[in-house]
Amino acid sequence: GAGVSQSPSNKVTEKGKDVELRCDPISGHTALYWYRQSLGQGLEFLIYFQGNSAPDKSGLPSDRFSAERTGGSVSTLTIQRTQQEDSAVYLCASSLSLTSGEKLFFGSGTQLSVL
Amino acid sequence: AQTVTQSQPEMSVQEAETVTLSCTYDTSESDYYLFWYKQPPSRQMILVIRQEAYKQQNATENRFSVNFQKAAKSFSLKISDSQLGDAAMYFCAYRRRGATNKLIFGTGTLLAVQP
Repeated sequence: GAGVSQSPSNKVTEKGKDVELRCDPISGHTALYWYRQSLGQGLEFLIYFQGNSAPDKSGLPSDRFSAERTGGSVSTLTIQRTQQEDSAVYLCASSLSLTSGEKLFFGSGTQLSVL
Repeated sequence: AQTVTQSQPEMSVQEAETVTLSCTYDTSESDYYLFWYKQPPSRQMILVIRQEAYKQQNATENRFSVNFQKAAKSFSLKISDSQLGDAAMYFCAYRRRGATNKLIFGTGTLLAVQP
């Protein structure tokens, strides 16, 4: 696609429910990143993918969070048994590769609200 | 661990005037990149300007320029001839050269532009 696409744009859920957030990167981009932006905070790194593998999962806040990427393209971030503190904007970004000079392209994020 | 600090939660500038946003960072690395990202209400992060630490010359992009002081670990953004469309959240970010594209962000500065 022309840009990084994320869906849904907004998600309201009840505490304890599971949610899936989707990211569709720019075609041909092998690297994909997930960040979380809580109110009044900067962006917190969650996980990145090179192709379908995730070498660095250190940013995932708990074992309720998981992510996968299939076909080197679409990625899904899953949050199980959501808690109120999970409320945030979840941003996805992609780049051509992991090379440090590559520019990151961001999507518009998913605003998650846990009631 | 690397950290990025933005000490100005909010700033305001008159249209056509100049404003400077501050950023300091902490790292033991000598080679890295620094960035300023703009986040309008659409939530999509847009790269404004990038500085490579090994370059002494300050980066410029049209009305945007930086004052990079490596010894002081300071990286401020100057916006000249401010326009209403410049109103947004601005984030300073750091990335170590040679690593993945994992960015470390500050907490942001909300810039208002008064007509």
